[in-house]
Amino acid sequence: AQTVTQSQPEMSVQEAETVTLSCTYDTSENNYYLFWYKQPPSRQMILVIRQEAYKQQNATENRFSVNFQKAAKSFSLKISDSQLGDTAMYFCAQSTGGGADGLTFGKGTHLIIQP
Amino acid sequence: GAGVSQTPSNKVTEKGKYVELRCDPISGHTALYWYRQSLGQGPEFLIYFQGTGAADDSGLPNDRFFAVRPEGSVSTLKIQRTERGDSAVYLCASSLNSGRQETQYFGPGTRLLVL
Repeated sequence: AQTVTQSQPEMSVQEAETVTLSCTYDTSENNYYLFWYKQPPSRQMILVIRQEAYKQQNATENRFSVNFQKAAKSFSLKISDSQLGDTAMYFCAQSTGGGADGLTFGKGTHLIIQP
Repeated sequence: GAGVSQTPSNKVTEKGKYVELRCDPISGHTALYWYRQSLGQGPEFLIYFQGTGAADDSGLPNDRFFAVRPEGSVSTLKIQRTERGDSAVYLCASSLNSGRQETQYFGPGTRLLVL
């Protein structure tokens, strides 16, 4: 079974600081995909960034980047120059694999950006 | 609309009643997913459709849960004989095609409360 673990239930940083959210996963698949989603109070999950496991280069989207360590099965999210609008729940997710297309999510990290 | 929409936004029902939750995917998306998100947890996969057929229903918790997508667009999640433990946010997502590489786009969810 696939598992995704987010060990930080909540994090709080000052505006403009850099913050890193951790995620580890477990899979027996060789070809899989990893995602970070943001869920603000509106409940709508918004894709932040994605990484293909076969690509060694870490994905980057503007202020968001990942540190993908395949051997360690680690997939952390770095947010640079954090903004008040970054306050939300952040979920790490993995494509389920085994031919199924559903995602397996972690429990989430509540990120609070303080003014 | 441009995104995934779900109705109703909130639903309150009594234990033992029947409920239907509706999802309108992004136009042209062939794959549709249902997830359930309990309080303080990440979303859990329920069922996935490719076109009109349920390609994977391994996440449905029991036979009280059923979903349809008769014309390959709108989907309805049906819950019979609701129980208090069914209270959660039910999220729908769609993707352009099936496959683990596809990005899933989420709707705002339906918050179900069973009294």
